[in-house]
Amino acid sequence: DAGITQSPRYKITETGRQVTLMCHQTWSHSYMFWYRQDLGHGLRLIYYSAAADITDKGEVPDGYVVSRSKTENFPLTLESATRSQTSVYFCASSARLGDSYEQYFGPGTRLTVT
Amino acid sequence: AQSVTQLDSHVSVSEGTPVLLRCNYSSSYSPSLFWYVQHPNKGLQLLLKYTSAATLVKGINGFEAEFKKSETSFHLTKPSAHMSDAAEYFCVVKGGGSTLGRLYFGRGTQLTVWP
Repeated sequence: DAGITQSPRYKITETGRQVTLMCHQTWSHSYMFWYRQDLGHGLRLIYYSAAADITDKGEVPDGYVVSRSKTENFPLTLESATRSQTSVYFCASSARLGDSYEQYFGPGTRLTVT
Repeated sequence: AQSVTQLDSHVSVSEGTPVLLRCNYSSSYSPSLFWYVQHPNKGLQLLLKYTSAATLVKGINGFEAEFKKSETSFHLTKPSAHMSDAAEYFCVVKGGGSTLGRLYFGRGTQLTVWP
């Protein structure tokens, strides 16, 4: 299906484990984003990418690693998961950064760290 | 710096009555503002956006918002609520300058619609 997909949709992991959340988009959008959603905080930007092999930090990057070897994929890795990283993670993509360009969001991944 | 403040964390209305969700913004630039909706266990959907054209913006599902620079507000309204409007709503400002393209979200307003 066309659009933006995330996998897995639900994940439970233990403290200290490495976990990777996947994001895939079929629009060939240049820009991709990772957000986390926590109660009372709305969504906060973790990392974003302007193109393959170009990434930059957002508001809350600590504890996360990203890569973008292909335009359509933007995986987010928690190298050593902590309970504070329990959250819902959303990936988004956009063709451009300009005012009129919308960010399209994936369905989210609910991650629980025990 | 950019930020938005959603003035109500919860709003409850009866079906058929008007909806008002309040949002104030702060921006160093001429702001681009958005409202997104999130239904339970779903992703985010764009309701409407303001990008310095008409100050009254019409969106999907009968929602609209008015940009008021003097009040730094971008409140979301709907004349008549429907049960299907029950969801969480986010006011969002887009970054400019060194933060171009980044979205800054408010904390959200949970809308409950009573039958």
